[in-house]
Amino acid sequence: EVQLVESGGALVQPGGSLRLSCAASGFTFSTSWMSWVRQAPGKGLEWVASIRGDEILIHYLASVEGRFTVFRDNARSTVFLQMNSLRAEDTAIYYCAKLLGTVTTFHFWGQGTLVTVSS
Amino acid sequence: DIQLTQSPSFLSASIGDRVTISCRASQGINNYLAWYQQKPGKAPNLLIHSASTLYSGVPSRFRGSGSGTEFTLTISSLQPEDSATYYCQQRNGYPITFGPGTKVEIK
Repeated sequence: EVQLVESGGALVQPGGSLRLSCAASGFTFSTSWMSWVRQAPGKGLEWVASIRGDEILIHYLASVEGRFTVFRDNARSTVFLQMNSLRAEDTAIYYCAKLLGTVTTFHFWGQGTLVTVSS
Repeated sequence: DIQLTQSPSFLSASIGDRVTISCRASQGINNYLAWYQQKPGKAPNLLIHSASTLYSGVPSRFRGSGSGTEFTLTISSLQPEDSATYYCQQRNGYPITFGPGTKVEIK
């Protein structure tokens, strides 16, 4: 059974940093594309970043590029999202998602972790 | 960036009704479109990918169609458990984008 479990969400001040983790199980993690998708309170879904299994291909949403870094530890089947220079507009539930093969369609999702950026 | 618009933004229908949700892309995206269902407090669930392919385990009352810029999600006979928000998503290129959502309410 595929499982994705996010952690690391917290209340952080503007300009602060946070690292989210997503522990995966139930599939061959090292060859799987993984993504982060966020959802601001009461709002729609917004793709944030995607990373290929070998970490050679990585894509970011323009508004987070240079502030967020996605990386992974295939030995631990975990994907991370390092978030720096956080802004109020980054407040959201952050979901980890597995892509359907090499297709950018999200077929498994974690339960999400809440990041609140506020003073 | 490719923008997706959905219509309607909200609909209320009765059990057994046929429900149709539209998704329009700002430029052609071939058939690179997926549909998701999200219930309050839960992560989204994939329903349809590649515009018309029903994802494993999804009830057959859900049907996707369209290509290019116009897409449709149809629920052939609305069930109580279909009360949710539905999102379309394009994967024709980065950034990946989602539609704003359609909330479906059961009368």
